[in-house]
Amino acid sequence: EPEVTQTPSHQVTQMGQEVILRCVPISNHLYFYWYRQILGQKVEFLVSFYNNEISEKSEIFDDQFSVERPDGSNFTLKIRSTKLEDSAMYFCASSGHWTSSYNEQFFGPGTRLTVL
Amino acid sequence: SQQGEEDPQALSIQEGENATMNCSYKTSINNLQWYRQNSGRGLVHLILIRSNEREKHSGRLRVTLDTSKKSSSLLITASRAADTASYFCATDAAQGGKLIFGQGTELSVKP
Repeated sequence: EPEVTQTPSHQVTQMGQEVILRCVPISNHLYFYWYRQILGQKVEFLVSFYNNEISEKSEIFDDQFSVERPDGSNFTLKIRSTKLEDSAMYFCASSGHWTSSYNEQFFGPGTRLTVL
Repeated sequence: SQQGEEDPQALSIQEGENATMNCSYKTSINNLQWYRQNSGRGLVHLILIRSNEREKHSGRLRVTLDTSKKSSSLLITASRAADTASYFCATDAAQGGKLIFGQGTELSVKP
C-alpha cells in the first residue's frame, strides 16, 4: 500500500540553524500539507501546497518557513533560523483531491525536531 | 474558527469492551475524519464521514455524525490491547483542504 515517507525521523539542531525536513508524498497525489504537533498538544496546520504554489498557510507559517517541491517526488519544509519553540513533531500529508468531499489525507510518520 | 474537541480526554477499558469517543465542532463542515496515533508515532487515517452521511462502518469501527448538534462519535467494538492509542477527530476547514484537529482522546485498553 502506498505511503507517505519522511526523513529524517529525528533532527537535532542548534537554535538559529537552518533545517530542511523532507517528505515523499504518495505518488499520484496532487495536494501536500505540513502540520506540526508540539509535545502533548494537538496537531496544527502549517501550510498546504498545490500546483507548485502555496494554497493556504497558517499564522504559524511565518517568513522563517518555506516549502518547496524541487522535483517530481520530494516535498520539503525549510526553517531558516530555528527557535526553541520550533521543537515539535512535523508531519507531512498528501491527498488526491482538492474538493473537500474527498479530502482524505494520508500522513507520514513524522520528523521529530529538537532545537537546543 | 472551527475546532474539534474530543471527550473524554482519557478512557480506560478492559479488552473486549466497547470504547466510545465523542467529538464536537463549532462551524459547518464538509467532512469529518478520525485518526489514530500511537505514542510518539504518525497519524493513521481511520475513517472519513461526509456531512451528508449519518453513519459509517469500517470493520470494528462505527462513526456517527450529527450535523445539527455539530458532533460525531467513534465507537470501537470488542476492543483489543492493540487499540491503545490517541484518537483524534479532524474537520475540513470551510475553504480549501486543511484539517483542524481536536485535542484527542487517549484510549487505554487493558488486557
